[in-house]
Amino acid sequence: KQEVTQIPAALSVPEGENLVLNCSFTDSAIYNLQWFRQDPGKGLTSLLLIQSSQREQTSGRLNASLDKSSGRSTLYIAASQPGDSATYLCAVAAGGTSYGKLTFGQGTILTVHP
Amino acid sequence: DADVTQTPRNRITKTGKRIMLECSQTKGHDRMYWYRQDPGLGLRLIYYSFDVKDINKGEISDGYSVSRQAQAKFSLSLESAIPNQTALYFCATSDLRASGRIDEQFFGPGTRLTVL
Repeated sequence: KQEVTQIPAALSVPEGENLVLNCSFTDSAIYNLQWFRQDPGKGLTSLLLIQSSQREQTSGRLNASLDKSSGRSTLYIAASQPGDSATYLCAVAAGGTSYGKLTFGQGTILTVHP
Repeated sequence: DADVTQTPRNRITKTGKRIMLECSQTKGHDRMYWYRQDPGLGLRLIYYSFDVKDINKGEISDGYSVSRQAQAKFSLSLESAIPNQTALYFCATSDLRASGRIDEQFFGPGTRLTVL
């Protein structure tokens, strides 16, 4: 059974700092990995998707990397802003017979203070 | 703008009542999913459907049923609601055929369900 762990559980940083959120998974037979953002009481917004054959994806100030062999992904946020404050969720899509099903980590709560 | 909508957004009900949560999408996606989110447990998959005639149980399907009425509509039912089904419920869609970001899942705004 796939297990996804996110570290740290919470992070508080001053505005302007670069930061890294970590995600690890136990089964490397994945189809893709998605990073989401969730604002309090709101739905999930997809930030980046990395296919299993890719090493990284970039969107604006966000960069996500994937190392399937070690079961790790990182989300790098450059020059953080107060508007980046949210919960960040990592989710892994299964391959094989469980194709497409997402397993989520419990998230990292990010607070960026001015 | 193509979207995923959920109704109702909030619902309070009593133990034993039948509840239906509805999800509609205008993205033209063939795949639809139902998740629940609980504090400390993250999001867990309840049911998923890869097309109108394909319904599959997820990780925590007991106590729930679903109906895929059309490509754009996927409903989740709680036949006899119980307090431990109090949670935030999300519908999501994806499309394997979409170029680029293959099978990226897009989420609705959620339904907050409270069972008293």
